[in-house]
Amino acid sequence: GQQVMQIPQYQHVQEGEDFTTYCNSSTTLSNIQWYKQRPGGHPVFLIQLVKSGEVKKQKRLTFQFGEAKKNSSLHITATQTTDVGTYFCAGPKGYGQNFVFGPGTRLSVLP
Amino acid sequence: GAVVSQHPSWVICKSGTSVKIECRSLDFQATTMFWYRQFPKQSLMLMATSNEGSKATYEQGVEKDKFLINHASLTLSTLTVTSAHPEDSSFYICSASPASGSGGGGDTDTQYFGPGTRLTVL
Repeated sequence: GQQVMQIPQYQHVQEGEDFTTYCNSSTTLSNIQWYKQRPGGHPVFLIQLVKSGEVKKQKRLTFQFGEAKKNSSLHITATQTTDVGTYFCAGPKGYGQNFVFGPGTRLSVLP
Repeated sequence: GAVVSQHPSWVICKSGTSVKIECRSLDFQATTMFWYRQFPKQSLMLMATSNEGSKATYEQGVEKDKFLINHASLTLSTLTVTSAHPEDSSFYICSASPASGSGGGGDTDTQYFGPGTRLTVL
């Protein structure tokens, strides 16, 4: 079945350092979404990418969708302690509204 | 806009009892809601898709007789964990996407998550 993988599983960075998480799907995706879950909280939608090669920015966050629409990345420039949490990518399952979530990358930022 | 609430936020129950969790879309209508389960430090596992006015669609390996889902209106879905056991202890989260033309806030392509319900079965 469809699989969505993410690497790394964990990442510890010093505040101010950059951070990147990668998402790979076993199948071509019509779109990909990114979510952030703070410790003890629930997932919060960050962004959706639809077009091949698309790049979107949200302040210090840069999201990219691969040319083949099977991979994506999230890059955070100059991390802050508020960036702490788990970042999930999710791809649609079939043609419905279901999404398959990746295992997530847990980011720790040391002050 | 696009707020999803869950009730209760946490519940502790004895083994063998049933627990009902409510998921409500507060400012939009949702023909479809999703129920997830999340174990500590793990990803979200889709349990079932709740469809308004019809039977829920369960993912493989999820017992439909144990996890009863009812989607009675366009703003409410409930998950009942029947005869709960300690291994059912988990974080249960619902999500919903606004239906096209439903008005209110939110993007139809986005899943909005509830705050989750932490279930502990003793």
